[in-house]
Amino acid sequence: GQQVMQIPQYQHVQEGEDFTTYCNSSTTLSNIQWYKQRPGGHPVFLIQLVKSGEVKKQKRLTFQFGEAKKNSSLHITATQTTDVGTYFCAGRPSGGSNYKLTFGKGTLLTVNP
Amino acid sequence: DVKVTQSSRYLVKRTGEKVFLECVQDMDHENMFWYRQDPGLGLRLIYFSYDVKMKEKGDIPEGYSVSREKKERFSLILESASTNQTSMYLCASSLSWGSYNEQFFGPGTRLTVL
Repeated sequence: GQQVMQIPQYQHVQEGEDFTTYCNSSTTLSNIQWYKQRPGGHPVFLIQLVKSGEVKKQKRLTFQFGEAKKNSSLHITATQTTDVGTYFCAGRPSGGSNYKLTFGKGTLLTVNP
Repeated sequence: DVKVTQSSRYLVKRTGEKVFLECVQDMDHENMFWYRQDPGLGLRLIYFSYDVKMKEKGDIPEGYSVSREKKERFSLILESASTNQTSMYLCASSLSWGSYNEQFFGPGTRLTVL
């Protein structure tokens, strides 16, 4: 079935370093959403991207949607210990079910203070 | 604030038992989802429902069924629990038609099947 690939699976950084996670699909996506799951918690919605080439920022977080709408990235500038968690992307393939998002496997970010 | 609640945080059952996981949302959302989360596998969709009594299979429906008799409640049923169904189960809901609405997740139920 349709897959959304996410890399890296794990990333360990020193506090203050930058972090990027990438999401790739073999087919065009109608939209992509990003979620964060803190350790022991549940996924929480961060943002949605819909337009080709779209870039959105939330404080130190920058989200991009590729021009071909097949890839996306989340970049965190100057990580803090509060950024620890697993970041998931979730996309709906164009022409797919209107309701169903396919989640990537997530990137677990750990931050050394 | 949207609230999605799940009936249990932790559940231990025996192989062959029938297991019910309940999910309730309080914001009149039309769509509800059941996922399971396993280390290294991310979130995998089991079933979803876009209206009362309406349901569709997700990516891994085998061994599961669902029920949605009321808009706010979505139940996941393991007809005969097996050890490979030991997992974290997450329920989610979203506002209305389509995947353009964010999903709100419940706290999860960690199910252990012995």
